[in-house]
Parts: sequence; C-alpha cells; structure tokens
Amino acid sequence: EVQLVESGGGLVQPGGSLRLSCAASGFTFSSHWMNWVRQAPGKGLEWVANIKTDGSQTYSVDSVKGRFTISRDNAKNSLYLQMNSLRAEDTAVYYCARGGRYCSGDTCRLYFDYWGQGTLVTVSS
Amino acid sequence: DIQMTQSPSSLSASVGDTVTITCRASQSISSYLNWYQQKPGKVPNLLIYGASNLQSGVPSRFSGSESGTDFTLTISSLQPEDFATYYCQQSYSAPLTFGGGTKVEIK
Repeated sequence: EVQLVESGGGLVQPGGSLRLSCAASGFTFSSHWMNWVRQAPGKGLEWVANIKTDGSQTYSVDSVKGRFTISRDNAKNSLYLQMNSLRAEDTAVYYCARGGRYCSGDTCRLYFDYWGQGTLVTVSS
Repeated sequence: DIQMTQSPSSLSASVGDTVTITCRASQSISSYLNWYQQKPGKVPNLLIYGASNLQSGVPSRFSGSESGTDFTLTISSLQPEDFATYYCQQSYSAPLTFGGGTKVEIK
C-alpha cells in the first residue's frame, strides 16, 4: 500500500524557516517524481515544487523561488521541503504527492496519483 | 505561465443528474490535463489523467473529454458521495497549475 506521511509543519514567525519531510513507503520511491502541493485555508490547490527521480532536476512556482528548496534522499525514501524567509501568504496545508506518468508518443507528463494527509504550516507573529 | 479557467465555480445539482464542468487552458496543453476530487477536510483524489483516462478504482460515471484547449469533466448520474470540489490541473509545462475549482452542491 502506498503511503506518504508528511511532518515538520507548525507555527513560525514571518521570516522564519521550517523543513518539511515526507516519508514514503509501499512503492519504489526512486522511480517517481515527487511533488509538494499546498492549499491555503479555504482556498484552492497550488503546486509548489517537484523533483526528478534522481534529484537532478527541480522546478518550482515563482512565488517560492529563492526561498524554498525541494530535495530527496532515495536511500531513506524521503522527500523534503526547506522553507526559508516564510511569509504570511505561505500559510497552508502542504501535501506531498507522488508523480504518476502519462505518456503520449515520446512525451510524458505527470499527474498526482497519491497524496499524503498534509501538514499545516502557519506563518504568523 | 499557463492559466486554467474552470467554470462554473459552483453548481447545485440533484442525485441522478448529469453534471458537466469545464476547464479552459490559456494555451495548448495537448492532452496533459488531470482532474481531481476533494471532499471537505479530505485529501484530493485523482479521477482522470491525460484528459480522458479513468484512474484505477474511479467509478465509470466519471469521464473526461477535450476539444482544443477546452476540457470537460462529466459526472453521469450524480451520487451522494460525488458532492465535492473538483479541480483541473495542467501538467504540460511548469509551473504546473490548477483551475480555481468547482464546488458541486446538493440542490
């Protein structure tokens, strides 16, 4: 059974830092792109960042570039999100999501086929 | 960035109705469009990937289609457990973007 368990959320002051972790089990972690998706209270879903299977490529939304860093440790089946210079607008539930692949011809793209339960990050003074 | 515009933002429907939700991409995304369902307080659940491929375990009353940059999620014979918020999401290019969501409520 695929399981994704996030941890590391909490209350932090503006300008502070947090490191989120996602422990994966039940599948070959090193074979999947992994993602962070967030949802502000009462709002919609926002993709934050993703990372290739071997960690060699990462992508992120502009609003977190230079502040958030996604990484992974395939030996530990773990995904991370280092969040620095946190702002009030970063307040959200952060989900870890596995990337499934859909291929059309030679081109493949992702979908989010398994999600963790999420961890709440609150940025407030 | 590719903008995903979902409509309507909310709708009311009765059990047994057929419901259609539309998502329009701001540019061509080929078939790289996914649909998710989220119930209150719950984690999003993948319904459709690649515009029209039903995820394993998802009831066949859910279907997806595309016409150019317009994508449609259809729920045939709406069931009580289908009342939820639905999101489209493009995976054609980063940043991966979601639509604003469509809340399906009970009439």
